[in-house]
This record gives sequence, structure tokens and C-alpha cells, in this order.
Amino acid sequence: AQTVTQSQPEMSVQEAETVTLSCTYDTSESDYYLFWYKQPPSRQMILVIRQEAYKQQNATENRFSVNFQKAAKSFSLKISDSQLGDAAMYFCAYEEYGNKLVFGAGTILRVKS
Amino acid sequence: DTGVSQDPRHKITKRGQNVTFRCDPISEHNRLYWYRQTLGQGPEFLTYFQNEAQLEKSRLLSDRFSAERPKGSFSTLEIQRTEQGDSAMYLCASSRGGPQHFGDGTRLSIL
Repeated sequence: AQTVTQSQPEMSVQEAETVTLSCTYDTSESDYYLFWYKQPPSRQMILVIRQEAYKQQNATENRFSVNFQKAAKSFSLKISDSQLGDAAMYFCAYEEYGNKLVFGAGTILRVKS
Repeated sequence: DTGVSQDPRHKITKRGQNVTFRCDPISEHNRLYWYRQTLGQGPEFLTYFQNEAQLEKSRLLSDRFSAERPKGSFSTLEIQRTEQGDSAMYLCASSRGGPQHFGDGTRLSIL
């Protein structure tokens, strides 16, 4: 069974600085998707970024980028120029095409002003 | 695109009662997923539909749980004879071959 591990229960970052959230996963599949979702205190899960495993290029969405290391099964999220609105729980998730998501335990990100 | 809608937002019930939650997916999304999330944890998969067919059920989904998606549109999740351990946030998500979009969830509290 696939597993997703987020080893950082909580992270803090100063406003305007950069922070990296870590994620590792385990799978025997070669084709899959990886995601970072954000869950603010209002609790709706919001998609931050998606990476397709067959694409070597790291995905980027504005201030959010990933470092995808397929051989190492590592998928970290970098948030640049952190803003107060980035404070939330961040979940790393794995998906085989069209199937269920397997989530990590999450990392709470606190942004200090 | 009105997003995934879940009803009710909160449900408080006594242990042993039955509860039913509803999820309306994004229009034309053929896939619909149910997850359960306990406080401070990541969501855990419960079940998934493609159109009206229920394609996968987690072992977390005991025989007290049943889900339906008649006509491939909205879905309901029913829990019979609720137990303390059923207290959680129940999340619904939908997709059409792309990323899953989540609703606000239904928070279930068992007294």
C-alpha cells in the first residue's frame, strides 16, 4: 500500500521569507500524481500544486514550487515570500490516476509578522 | 462552477442514532469521493464513485456505513447506530480526470 510521510508536524516562517515543507512517499508504481493541499482554519481543502510523476520538470504556481525527486521518492514544497494568508495545515498527497488520495499527517505552517 | 457542496455543515447526534450526509459535486464531475478526517490528522479515504458505480470501499467503511450515488449526481453517506469513534469531519471531493476538489465538510459530533 502506498504511504505518505510528513516528518515536520509544525513549521514557522517569518513573513516575506522562504520555507520548505518536506514529504516522502512509498509506491511501487511508476505513474502517479503528487499534490500539496492547503487547509486553512476554515477547513476547506484547497489545491496548491500538482506534479505528474512522468514529468521531470518541477511544478511551479506563483510563489509555490516543488522539488520532486522521483528516485528518492521525495516531494517538498517551497513557499517563497511567505504571507500571513499562507498560515494553514499543509497536506502532501499521492494519487494513482483517477483513484483515491493518500494523505500525509500534515504540517502546520505558522507565519510570523 | 459553484464548487462541491456538503450538507449539513455540522451534525450533533446521540450515540446509537442514524445520520445521513449529502454531497453535491461540481457539475459534470463524474468521480465522487468520501474521506474522513479526525482532528489533527490527514483525511482517510472511505469510498469512491465513478458515475453511479461504487468502485472502491475502504476497510474503514464498516457495515454501519453505506454510500450511494443515484443517477451519478449527488451522493449520500449514511452512518447507522453511530458510535463515539464516528466523531470526525466527513469530506466529499469530486473530479473529472483532474485534481480533486473538496467541499467544506460535515462535522459530526456524537454525544
